[in-house]
Amino acid sequence: QSALTQPASVSGSPGQAITISCTGTSSDVGGYNYVSWYQQHPGKAPKLMIYEVSNRPSGVSNRFSGSKSGNTASLTISGLQAEDDADYYCSSYTSSSTYVFGTGTKVTVL
Amino acid sequence: QVQLVESGGGVVQPGRSLRLSCAASGFTFSSYGMHWVRQAPGKGLEWVAIIWYDGSKEYYADSVKGRFTISRDNSKNTLYLQMNSLRAEDTAVYYCATYGDYAVWYWGQGTLVTVSS
Repeated sequence: QSALTQPASVSGSPGQAITISCTGTSSDVGGYNYVSWYQQHPGKAPKLMIYEVSNRPSGVSNRFSGSKSGNTASLTISGLQAEDDADYYCSSYTSSSTYVFGTGTKVTVL
Repeated sequence: QVQLVESGGGVVQPGRSLRLSCAASGFTFSSYGMHWVRQAPGKGLEWVAIIWYDGSKEYYADSVKGRFTISRDNSKNTLYLQMNSLRAEDTAVYYCATYGDYAVWYWGQGTLVTVSS
């Protein structure tokens, strides 16, 4: 159950688009369309942003989108805004019927 | 709206036990699977365990298997995490959360567990 690999940090200017990658194996990310993404602001509980690779829960901005290719999933934030400055985590269902989170990415809005 | 309130955290010595509780409201608790997820201070999220809506199945992270037990009482709308043989590396904020569509949907605010002598 090794953590999924994410870049430690990604930054962008307001209005730009950024993409966060999440790399796993064929036993998790690559084996199932069950990747989810979470946003966490400092001192707060995480919030679900994307589920089943590309689905947005009600109330989540359509500036957030998800995709997957092989063993790598991606979260794209378009039209970057100051409020998007936060930590982001991916997660995947695994072949052991468990779940694994990514290492986390700090998004900085310049 | 969905509300999840964790309790039971605190300071405990290595090797001792602690039981966390999570009181749920605002939804039909008995219809949803539930997760425990933890976060060590300054670190990332770590999935801990999941229990089926009816308690019929449980799965654990390797790091806690054999030491932690997840359970629920649907008559009390409460989720539990029994933690035995605690180690320093179990120090974290523990979140309870709802399961749905292979994701972690609604999260509580967490309870801090500190394992220290």
